[in-house]
Amino acid sequence: AQKITQTQPGMFVQEKEAVTLDCTYDTSDPSYGLFWYKQPSSGEMIFLIYQGSYDQQNATEGRYSLNFQKARKSANLVISASQLGDSAMYFCAMRRAGNQFYFGTGTSLTVIP
Amino acid sequence: GAVVSQHPSWVICKSGTSVKIECRSLDFQATTMFWYRQFPKQSLMLMATSNEGSKATYEQGVEKDKFLINHASLTLSTLTVTSAHPEDSSFYICSARERGREKLFFGSGTQLSVL
Repeated sequence: AQKITQTQPGMFVQEKEAVTLDCTYDTSDPSYGLFWYKQPSSGEMIFLIYQGSYDQQNATEGRYSLNFQKARKSANLVISASQLGDSAMYFCAMRRAGNQFYFGTGTSLTVIP
Repeated sequence: GAVVSQHPSWVICKSGTSVKIECRSLDFQATTMFWYRQFPKQSLMLMATSNEGSKATYEQGVEKDKFLINHASLTLSTLTVTSAHPEDSSFYICSARERGREKLFFGSGTQLSVL
């Protein structure tokens, strides 16, 4: 079974500080994709960042970067210069070789002014 | 950017009735569509994956006769909850993937309440 683990149910960060949200995964697929999505209280799912399993460099998208450590099977999300609007649920997700997408349990991030 | 439209946003129905939820990709062809279920403050649970030209693949534990998925075209997928019961009350979200693109585009979700 494919499994995605987010060990931090809740995180707090001071505004303008950086925060790391942890994600580990388990798969035997040689090719897979890793994603982070943000879900505000409105319920919409907002794409943040993508990392392919064969990508040599860590992905970056503005204030978001993905710390990909393939041997450790971890794909942590780093948010720099946190803003109040970053308060939301954050989900790590994995696309399997068979095209299914699975999500982790999520981390609730609260940015403190 | 790619847009996925999901309707209705919320629905209340009586126990025993069937409810249909639509998911449309408005400006791209969705070669794969996914249906998720989400309980409050919990993760998205994959229910089924629907690939172009084939029947939906259901995840283990999801009743295919209860949750009917039809990928009618490359821009439309429907989820029908048949003979709904209160335990089916949940937030249902669809998503779509365009051929050659990695990320999923999500609908806005449907809150189903079965009385």
